[in-house]
Amino acid sequence: AQSVAQPEDQVNVAEGNPLTVKCTYSVSGNPYLFWYVQYPNRGLQFLLKYITGDNLVKGSYGFEAEFNKSQTSFHLKKPSALVSDSALYFCAVRDGGYNKLIFGAGTRLAVHP
Amino acid sequence: DSGVTQTPKHLITATGQRVTLRCSPRSGDLSVYWYQQSLDQGLQFLIQYYNGEERAKGNILERFSAQQFPDLHSELNLSSLELGDSALYFCASSVGDRDEVGEKLFFGSGTQLSVL
Repeated sequence: AQSVAQPEDQVNVAEGNPLTVKCTYSVSGNPYLFWYVQYPNRGLQFLLKYITGDNLVKGSYGFEAEFNKSQTSFHLKKPSALVSDSALYFCAVRDGGYNKLIFGAGTRLAVHP
Repeated sequence: DSGVTQTPKHLITATGQRVTLRCSPRSGDLSVYWYQQSLDQGLQFLIQYYNGEERAKGNILERFSAQQFPDLHSELNLSSLELGDSALYFCASSVGDRDEVGEKLFFGSGTQLSVL
């Protein structure tokens, strides 16, 4: 079965500093990987995805993610964090032939002024 | 606004009761997915429907059932409720059920279920 792991429950970063939220995956075949963000009292919102092609994927709100096949990782990054980036971030993988996604446990990002 | 509508937003009920959660997908989307989010289990996939037919099943309890109607809205029925069923239940939708481009899901704001 496909799975993703987010090793950090929380990431703290100062505003203006670069941020990284980690994700590793375990899949059979080619991975379809996603990042979603959840703001308080809201549903999940799509940030970006990797299907194939360039290992660096650009997404919404200035976020990007780097796919690394040898390390089976798909880390989310942003060059300069904003306080408004504070939210819960989920890594996900498409499981099987259908579009359903399997999510990681989530990482809470806290950006301090 | 994702275009996915879930009702009600909050639901408080007692153990042993039965509730129905409703989801209207985005206009044009044929697939509906149900997820359960709780503090101890995280975000768990429950079930997927496409154009009225079940497509994939996850960790859905036998006490839970779902269906998708001809107008494409979906309902998740939870019965014989237990305290542990308290969670945020999300519905998501997408155009298709499978594809080669990794179609993204659009999520509703969820129904917060509290079982007392």
